[in-house]
Amino acid sequence: AQSVTQLDSQVPVFEEAPVELRCNYSSSVSVYLFWYVQYPNQGLQLLLKYLSGSTLVKGINGFEAEFNKSQTSFHLRKPSVHISDTAEYFCAVSDGAGGFKTIFGAGTRLFVKA
Amino acid sequence: GAGVSQSPSNKVTEKGKDVELRCDPISGHTALYWYRQSLGQGLEFLIYFQGNSAPDKSGLPSDRFSAERTGGSVSTLTIQRTQQEDSAVYLCASSLGVHNTEAFFGQGTRLTVV
Repeated sequence: AQSVTQLDSQVPVFEEAPVELRCNYSSSVSVYLFWYVQYPNQGLQLLLKYLSGSTLVKGINGFEAEFNKSQTSFHLRKPSVHISDTAEYFCAVSDGAGGFKTIFGAGTRLFVKA
Repeated sequence: GAGVSQSPSNKVTEKGKDVELRCDPISGHTALYWYRQSLGQGLEFLIYFQGNSAPDKSGLPSDRFSAERTGGSVSTLTIQRTQQEDSAVYLCASSLGVHNTEAFFGQGTRLTVV
């Protein structure tokens, strides 16, 4: 069965610093990977997704993620964060073995400080 | 509708009472998901519908929880004999039903059991 592990529950970072939010997954078949963001008091929205092709995926708001099959990882990165990036970030996986249902990680709270 | 609609947005109930939470997915979306988000916790998968059938109910925490979907559209999540630990935000999401499409989330129902 697929599963998702987000290694950091909270990540504090100063404004304009780079950030990496880590995500590892387990699955027995080909996977489709997603990052969602939940801003304070708002619903979840898609940040980016990996389906196939290039392992480097670019999303909204300057975020990108790299799919690494050998390490079963899909880490999210941004070279320079803003205060407005403060939010909860969720990694998710979907695969055929799971009937294509989407499983989410526990989330990482990114807190950007001035 | 334009987006996933959930009702009510907030529900306060007494311990032991039954509650029904409603989700109206985006028109044409065959896949529907229920998740639970507790304070400080990630997204907990509850149940997944493909059309009217539920191929995966593995996330339902106890037999007090049930869900149905009729006409391939609206879904109702029912919690019987509510307990305080059921207090959480219950999120509904829908997607086109294939694995590589994003899930669109509703704003959630905040359930408080007193």
